[in-house]
Amino acid sequence: DAGITQSPRHKVTETGTPVTLRCHQTENHRYMYWYRQDPGHGLRLIHYSYGVKDTDKGEVSDGYSVSRSKTEDFLLTLESATSSQTSVYFCAISEGTGFLGPQHFGDGTRLSIL
Amino acid sequence: GENVEQHPSTLSVQEGDSAVIKCTYSDSASNYFPWYKQELGKGPQLIIDIRSNVGEKKDQRIAVTLNKTAKHFSLHITETQPEDSAVYFCAASNFGNEKLTFGTGTRLTIIP
Repeated sequence: DAGITQSPRHKVTETGTPVTLRCHQTENHRYMYWYRQDPGHGLRLIHYSYGVKDTDKGEVSDGYSVSRSKTEDFLLTLESATSSQTSVYFCAISEGTGFLGPQHFGDGTRLSIL
Repeated sequence: GENVEQHPSTLSVQEGDSAVIKCTYSDSASNYFPWYKQELGKGPQLIIDIRSNVGEKKDQRIAVTLNKTAKHFSLHITETQPEDSAVYFCAASNFGNEKLTFGTGTRLTIIP
């Protein structure tokens, strides 16, 4: 298995509170991604990073921010959580060799916002 | 942007029979097509991928075919086994765009 650790694995919180999810990799891969998975929608890209301090938006980035201060860590923050952000969040990593190295996924964080 | 459609959403097959899942994509520039298998409580796991310079790729009981003209690609699983039961996702991307667009998934159930 790819060396990807997501934390926490489960979290329940209330509307309006800030939430930070962490993705840690041991592969030294350049690219890191955050997805959310919802029934009927598959996996949708929230944000991704192509290097330390280099990030870009995905298709569903509203309400989310990210930071990458070290190669191995990619943080996803919900500044003020809403019930619509209840989902399963997956982190992925890729070598991104220039011809898209395959993406490998962590085991996800199940986030419930009440 | 790219749009990937996946069919069927659910599929049940008898153990030992074959299963086929189909995806279509919209962006003719797409040139990389991976397939992922997701088991309950786990993240998606890459099972096979194909690049646009080949039409078919096999790995034991799994094969993927690509028709660039029609812009569709398919996953074929032969001699299905109970452990093949899972949700399968297709995806597409193009060179220089290090992002994947996923289909909505197919829940495959193998009936013993």
